[in-house]
Amino acid sequence: DVKVTQSSRYLVKRTGEKVFLECVQDMDHENMFWYRQDPGLGLRLIYFSYDVKMKEKGDIPEGYSVSREKKERFSLILESASTNQTSMYLCASSFSQGPTEAFFGQGTRLTVV
Amino acid sequence: GENVEQHPSTLSVQEGDSAVIKCTYSDSASNYFPWYKQELGKRPQLIIDIRSNVGEKKDQRIAVTLNKTAKHFSLHITETQPEDSAVYFCATPAYNLFFGTGTRLTVIP
Repeated sequence: DVKVTQSSRYLVKRTGEKVFLECVQDMDHENMFWYRQDPGLGLRLIYFSYDVKMKEKGDIPEGYSVSREKKERFSLILESASTNQTSMYLCASSFSQGPTEAFFGQGTRLTVV
Repeated sequence: GENVEQHPSTLSVQEGDSAVIKCTYSDSASNYFPWYKQELGKRPQLIIDIRSNVGEKKDQRIAVTLNKTAKHFSLHITETQPEDSAVYFCATPAYNLFFGTGTRLTVIP
């Protein structure tokens, strides 16, 4: 069974804090993705990575950065959290030989107060 | 980002009826067309996909059809059941995996 694990299910942070969301996958996938999910807006791609230390912007990268130092781990960083970043964040991974099926983590519900 | 449009945004059907959700894409080079299902409080999961060398694929009560000329692909669910109630997403065929805005399907018992 593929496992994509996000470090927290729920997080509450204060405005201006630096926030780290971690994602780990155990299937040796090359591709990893970060999405945010808001009602009526679907899954919006923030960043993705196709290899260690490689990253590309998605549709809504503003206010976010990412880090991929190891193949199995992809981190999303909110440099200075704001209330409009309150959302559900989903990580996913897939093989690069494809495109192929993406496997999702359980999600992190982030609330910025 | 990659442009993929999904319709309708909400869909209510009576149990036993059929449901159809459609996605339109823009990249002519696309060759992989997936559909994901997200039940309430759960993560999205792939339910069916199709490659561009076939026009239709079926898996029990669900099917995906592809019209490459018109650049759209559709999800068909027949004999709907309450457990089909969920949000369904199409995704772009590209490696960077952009999703449609989702369709909330409600099956009324």
